[in-house]
Amino acid sequence: EVQLVESGGGLVQPGRSLRLSCAASGFTFDDYAMHWVRQAPGKGLEWVSGISWNSGSIGYADSVKGRFTISRDNAKNSLYLQMNSLRAEDTALYYCAKDAGIGVWLYYFDYWGQGTLVTVSS
Amino acid sequence: SYELTQPPSVSVSPGQTARITCSGDALPKQYAYWYQQKPGQAPVLVIYKDSERPSGIPERFSGSSSGTTVTLTISGVQAEDEADYYCQSADSSGDVVFGGGTKLTVL
Repeated sequence: EVQLVESGGGLVQPGRSLRLSCAASGFTFDDYAMHWVRQAPGKGLEWVSGISWNSGSIGYADSVKGRFTISRDNAKNSLYLQMNSLRAEDTALYYCAKDAGIGVWLYYFDYWGQGTLVTVSS
Repeated sequence: SYELTQPPSVSVSPGQTARITCSGDALPKQYAYWYQQKPGQAPVLVIYKDSERPSGIPERFSGSSSGTTVTLTISGVQAEDEADYYCQSADSSGDVVFGGGTKLTVL
């Protein structure tokens, strides 16, 4: 059974940093691209970032480019999101999501975690 | 990146057919995907590549595409189908785009 478990969320002041983690199990982690998708309270879904199976290809939404860094550790079956210079508008539930394509980016998500909440407020 | 446009809400009586549309200029060239999200839960993929249904998704869920519009159809709507539905695609540069979401209300 595929499981994605996010952690690392919390309350943080504007301008500070936070690192999210996603622990994956139930599939061959290093065969798949992985993504972060967020959802502000009461709002829709927004793709944040994605990373290929070997970290050779990375993409970011314009809203986080230059502030967020995605990474992965295939030996630990883990995905990360380093978030710097946080803003109030980054407040959201952050989901870890598995790309549906094996060895290739298909840019859609067949499994999602339950999310970790990030609140940016003074 | 481009935008995907969905109606904010759709209402339907139980047993009827619900149709949720999603419009975007790149949809003739890019696949669309649909997710169902119930309150307090993570999204679930219900349609991929415009019209394919993942295993475990009921047959009453179907998808279609015509020009710049894709449609999620739920035939014989049940109370448990009440949820938010999001379409999603990717532009030519690989950026992922979601529609604004449609709240399906089962009357």
